[in-house]
Amino acid sequence: QVQLVQSGAEVKKPGASVRVSCKASGYSFTSYYMHWVRQAPGQGLQWMGEINPISGGTSYAQSLQGRVAITRDTSASTVYMELTNLISEDTAVYFCARVHLGTSPFDYWGQGTLITVSS
Amino acid sequence: DTRMTQSPSGLSASVGDSVTITCRAGHTINKYLNWYQHKPGEAPRLLIYAASNLQSGVPSRFSGSGSGTNFTLTISSLQPEDSATYYCQQSFSGYTFGQGTKLEIK
Repeated sequence: QVQLVQSGAEVKKPGASVRVSCKASGYSFTSYYMHWVRQAPGQGLQWMGEINPISGGTSYAQSLQGRVAITRDTSASTVYMELTNLISEDTAVYFCARVHLGTSPFDYWGQGTLITVSS
Repeated sequence: DTRMTQSPSGLSASVGDSVTITCRAGHTINKYLNWYQHKPGEAPRLLIYAASNLQSGVPSRFSGSGSGTNFTLTISSLQPEDSATYYCQQSFSGYTFGQGTKLEIK
């Protein structure tokens, strides 16, 4: 069965960086793009970016350009999302989600990872 | 970015009722509109894709319609487990979510 398993919750100080992992199983890793979405407390879902698992090519939300980087390790079927220069507004639950084609929906999601930014 | 506007932002209904949530796109997105259900502490769940296609395993009381800029999600015969926040998402040009509609079951 398809599974996306994310790394655990973390607490970070402002200005620090965080890296969240998303390990995929149960399907061909290179056949699906991986996206990241976050939800801040009391807020809606915000798309962050995506990665092409074959080429490693990425696309990011304009609001996060320069602070977010998505990478992958195809040998480990794992995608990583790194967010740098953290601010309190980055406190959120972060989700990975897979997409088959460019206009397809997010059909499987990770369980979510809570990142808390606090001094 | 394509702006997605949902209405209402919240609603309350009883078990057995039918409700409709509306989603409007800032410009035409053909039928590239998806609906998700999100419960606290869980991952979002895909309900409807390409405006009107029911995702495998989703109860048939969920249905979607629309094209262009105007879309609806209808939940008929509401059940207690339908209490959640519902999001529309366009996948025509990048990905954008609506602001969500919180559904309370009385």
